[in-house]
Amino acid sequence: EAGVAQSPRYKIIEKRQSVAFWCNPISGHATLYWYQQILGQGPKLLIQFQNNGVVDDSQLPKDRFSAERLKGVDSTLKIQPAKLEDSAVYLCASSFWDRVAETQYFGPGTRLLVL
Amino acid sequence: DQQVKQNSPSLSVQEGRISILNCDYTNSMFDYFLWYKKYPAEGPTFLISISSIKDKNEDGRFTVFLNKSAKHLSLHIVPSQPGDSAVYFCAASAVSDYGGSQGNLIFGKGTKLSVKP
Repeated sequence: EAGVAQSPRYKIIEKRQSVAFWCNPISGHATLYWYQQILGQGPKLLIQFQNNGVVDDSQLPKDRFSAERLKGVDSTLKIQPAKLEDSAVYLCASSFWDRVAETQYFGPGTRLLVL
Repeated sequence: DQQVKQNSPSLSVQEGRISILNCDYTNSMFDYFLWYKKYPAEGPTFLISISSIKDKNEDGRFTVFLNKSAKHLSLHIVPSQPGDSAVYFCAASAVSDYGGSQGNLIFGKGTKLSVKP
């Protein structure tokens, strides 16, 4: 079974530039999560999708971050414009059903550095 | 305001001995607790979980203990192996109407475990 795929693995941009991350969840997984992990911290949930609908985006900085999940499969997370404090690893996770957390499978993450 | 705290950034143990990783939480609404393991350049991998109706859950070499009155849980690894060297994250969530986690996980900062041969 293929795992959660993310791309790119690494990205370096300058502040005020835009960047987008892509996630392909495990086939058949209805729930998709984007987490932000700042160095030395644990992952923090940014947004949760159930199929193509948003379940929770309370911690998403909506003035600069946006996310979509077209057709309930792949998802993209965009930052526009980026700030220095956005430097972090962005993790995508998916699960078959959002009721049971142990089924959350994480991708390898995208490491973003904002200069 | 950290709701899930892992106060030990690192832990070093000898191969074959017991590793004990600790986690404290402040939110009394948390009812479901999980441990994730993370290797460098990889995403976190689920390890073991426990709900508040239990005080212990065991899976092979891994055991999680929950002390709800103290808002404290711990992960025991016995015996520790060099391959266990990783960062361990404690996470918490509220229970959904159907049991299990709601999915919105609150993570601690992690503890880096080093198991020396």
